[in-house]
Amino acid sequence: EVQLVESGGGLVQPGGSLRLSCAASGFTFSSQWMHWVRQAPGKGLVWVSVIKPDGSTTNYADSVKGRFTISRDNAKNTLYLQMNSLRAEDTAVYFCTRAGAPYAFDIWGQGTMVTVSS
Amino acid sequence: QSALTQPPSVSGSPGQSVTISCTGTSSDVGSYNRVSWYQQPPGTAPKLMIYEVTNRPSGVPDRFSGSKSGNTASLTISGLQAEDEADYYCFSYTSSSPFNVFGTGTKVTVL
Repeated sequence: EVQLVESGGGLVQPGGSLRLSCAASGFTFSSQWMHWVRQAPGKGLVWVSVIKPDGSTTNYADSVKGRFTISRDNAKNTLYLQMNSLRAEDTAVYFCTRAGAPYAFDIWGQGTMVTVSS
Repeated sequence: QSALTQPPSVSGSPGQSVTISCTGTSSDVGSYNRVSWYQQPPGTAPKLMIYEVTNRPSGVPDRFSGSKSGNTASLTISGLQAEDEADYYCFSYTSSSPFNVFGTGTKVTVL
């Protein structure tokens, strides 16, 4: 079964750090562009970051650039999002997703909740 | 990069058709056939419904169709059913960094 499973969310204080993981299974992870998308409580989807299959190219939304780092370990079939200098406005459910259809996200994880609060 | 503009809500009775618009600019929707649509029932992950403006993934009912005119893409749900009640989001590639943008989202209510 093709599956993405996120983990690593939780409660963190403003200014703190957190690393999210996304374990992939059921497909050739090393061949796929992977993205992170977030959704604040009661709000819409917001694209966060993307990484090329070999990890050589990344891109970020302006709101997280310089604070978040996307990476991947193709040997472990795992995607990561290192989040530093967290702010209250980073509070959201974070989804990892596969760009398996042309310019579209065909597989999504269940999401992991990140709460930034003192 | 500003979000693509969608109406906050649309509604229809069972069996009717509803159309959701997604308005961008000549830098995104207007220049590329790289628009996709996602359905998100409450408390669940999004599901891909349409990609490359008009294409349906396998398993998506043919009641869902996509189109584009100029800077506006549209998702039409024909023969509306109770299970179609959800939030819907468009997404497009853009010519400027960060090259990816979602729409503001539309809540579909089945009356």
